[in-house]
Amino acid sequence: QVQLVQSGAEVKKPGSSVKVSCKASGDTFSTSSITWVRQAPGQALEWMGEIIPIVGATNYAQKFQGRVTISADKSTSTAYMELSSLRFDDTAVYYCARDQLEVTPDDVFDLWGQGTMVTVSS
Amino acid sequence: DIQMTQSPSSLSASVGDRVTITCRASQSIGGNLNWYQQKPGKAPNLLIYATSTLHTGVPSRFSGSGSGTEFTLTISSLQPEDFATYYCQQSYSTPPITFGQGTRLEIK
Repeated sequence: QVQLVQSGAEVKKPGSSVKVSCKASGDTFSTSSITWVRQAPGQALEWMGEIIPIVGATNYAQKFQGRVTISADKSTSTAYMELSSLRFDDTAVYYCARDQLEVTPDDVFDLWGQGTMVTVSS
Repeated sequence: DIQMTQSPSSLSASVGDRVTITCRASQSIGGNLNWYQQKPGKAPNLLIYATSTLHTGVPSRFSGSGSGTEFTLTISSLQPEDFATYYCQQSYSTPPITFGQGTRLEIK
């Protein structure tokens, strides 16, 4: 069964960085893009950016440009999202999600990781 | 950026009711509209993509319609497991991908 398994919860200080991982099982990594979406407590979903692992191409939301880096390691089928200069309002659950290329239309997310809670606290 | 606005923000209904949630886009998005269901403490799940195509395994009581700027998600006969928050998402003009603010469906 194909899954996206994310790394565990993190507590970070303001100004520091966090790196969240998302490991894909099966062969999905080679035929998908991986998107990162966050959800602050009680708030809506917010798209952060995406990567197509097979080519390494990335897109980022303008809001996070300069603070977010999305990368992928094809050898381990793992995607990463690193967010720097953390602020209190970056406290959120961070999700990775799969977009199956050439199966569903672009930017349709049919498989999600379980989420990683990142708490920014002094 | 395309803004997505859902209405209502919350809704109380009973098991067996027919429920409709509306999603409006700030500009035309053709048929590039997707719906997700999220239960508390869980990741979202894809329900419908491209306005009206049910994702694998989604019950037929869910349906979607619309085009351009106005879209609806309908649940024909609410079941206990349908009480959740629903989000629309446009995939027409990206980046950025944008979501609605969510509609919380509660038991009356």
